[in-house]
Amino acid sequence: EVQLLESGGGLVQPGGSLRLSCAASGFTFSSYALSWVRQAPGKGLEWVSGISGSGGDGGTTYYADSVKGRFSISRDNSKNTLYLHMNSLRAEDTAVYYCAKVAAGYYFDYWGQGTLVTVSS
Amino acid sequence: EIVLTQSPATLSLSPGERATLSCRASQSVSSYLAWYQQKPGQAPRLLIYDASNRATGIPARFSGSGSGTDFTLTISSLEPEDFAFYYCQQRSTWPPLFGPGTKVDIK
Repeated sequence: EVQLLESGGGLVQPGGSLRLSCAASGFTFSSYALSWVRQAPGKGLEWVSGISGSGGDGGTTYYADSVKGRFSISRDNSKNTLYLHMNSLRAEDTAVYYCAKVAAGYYFDYWGQGTLVTVSS
Repeated sequence: EIVLTQSPATLSLSPGERATLSCRASQSVSSYLAWYQQKPGQAPRLLIYDASNRATGIPARFSGSGSGTDFTLTISSLEPEDFAFYYCQQRSTWPPLFGPGTKVDIK
């Protein structure tokens, strides 16, 4: 059974930093692309960042314009863990952050339960 | 950048009724469109991918159709557990993008 478990969310001041983690199990972690998708309170879904799996472009990273230069995605295939390093956080980054496994193409076939990040003074 | 529009914003129906949800893209996304269901406090769940293919474990009452710019998610007979938010998502162009969602609530 595929499982994704996020952690690391919390309250942070504007301009601060936070690192989210996503522990995965139930699939060959290194083989699959993964993403972070966020949802602001009462709002819709926004893709944030992605990282490719093993293969020709293994480890290639992608970012939404809204977070480019501030967020960094990485993975540790030896620990089956995905990370999102978030710097220079803004109030508009407040959201539940989900990690998601990427299916063929770029759909999201499995999701974690999410971790809440609140940026406020 | 592609814009996805979903209609209606809210659909009020009774259990057993048929639900028809629309997703329209500002330019063609071919058949590269998915549908997700999200219940309050839960993560989204993939229902349909590539416009018409049901994801693993999704009941047959959910079906998707369309191509190009106009897509439809149909729930043939609403079960109590189907009252939720539904989002479409395109993967035709980068970045992957979600629509604003349709809420299906109990009439």
